[in-house]
Amino acid sequence: GNSVTQMEGPVTLSEEAFLTINCTYTATGYPSLFWYVQYPGEGLQLLLKATKADDKGSNKGFEATYRKETTSFHLEKGSVQVSDSAVYFCALKRNQGGKLIFGQGTELSVKP
Amino acid sequence: SAVISQKPSRDICQRGTSLTIQCQVDSQVTMMFWYRQQPGQSLTLIATANQGSEATYESGFVIDKFPISRPNLTFSTLTVSNMSPEDSSIYLCSVSGTPTNEQYFGPGTRLTVT
Repeated sequence: GNSVTQMEGPVTLSEEAFLTINCTYTATGYPSLFWYVQYPGEGLQLLLKATKADDKGSNKGFEATYRKETTSFHLEKGSVQVSDSAVYFCALKRNQGGKLIFGQGTELSVKP
Repeated sequence: SAVISQKPSRDICQRGTSLTIQCQVDSQVTMMFWYRQQPGQSLTLIATANQGSEATYESGFVIDKFPISRPNLTFSTLTVSNMSPEDSSIYLCSVSGTPTNEQYFGPGTRLTVT
């Protein structure tokens, strides 16, 4: 079946450190891939997406590249800020009417 | 993107009672979804609600416990019936954008059952 696996958290970094949150998926065909962010006490916000192999999604300094060969969609940011502290969810969707399948979420804590 | 609002934003309820959560979208959408997020967990899809048809429930969720209404293309309700402390969760409404494959979420309803 379709599934998403993320690296376990919590991840604790100092401000301006480099961030990588690993995400791998299992799916048939060519799903669309997403990263969502959930700030404390809030709902989910779409952070970025990629719809086909080798696509790079980017937003707010975050990037992720759709790697078909490794079935991965790792989230990266070159220099994190305290305001990036949140829970990050990787997700996939197989088609327009399909279900959004989430990973377990990775909590990021950035210290000043 | 769609703007989604939910009411109430939070509530504390007694065991055995029911709570109806409302979801309003600022544009017409075909597909609406209801998710549950238990404390410290990821999101679990409860059901998909399309206007004019019965909601489709995921494994482990039943209509008697989580009845859903979808009277039009901008509104839906989820009722959590006969609540127990295990129902304490955040309940999120979500809509699917077209023609993109993006999905947007409301701010959630934080429910505590005592």
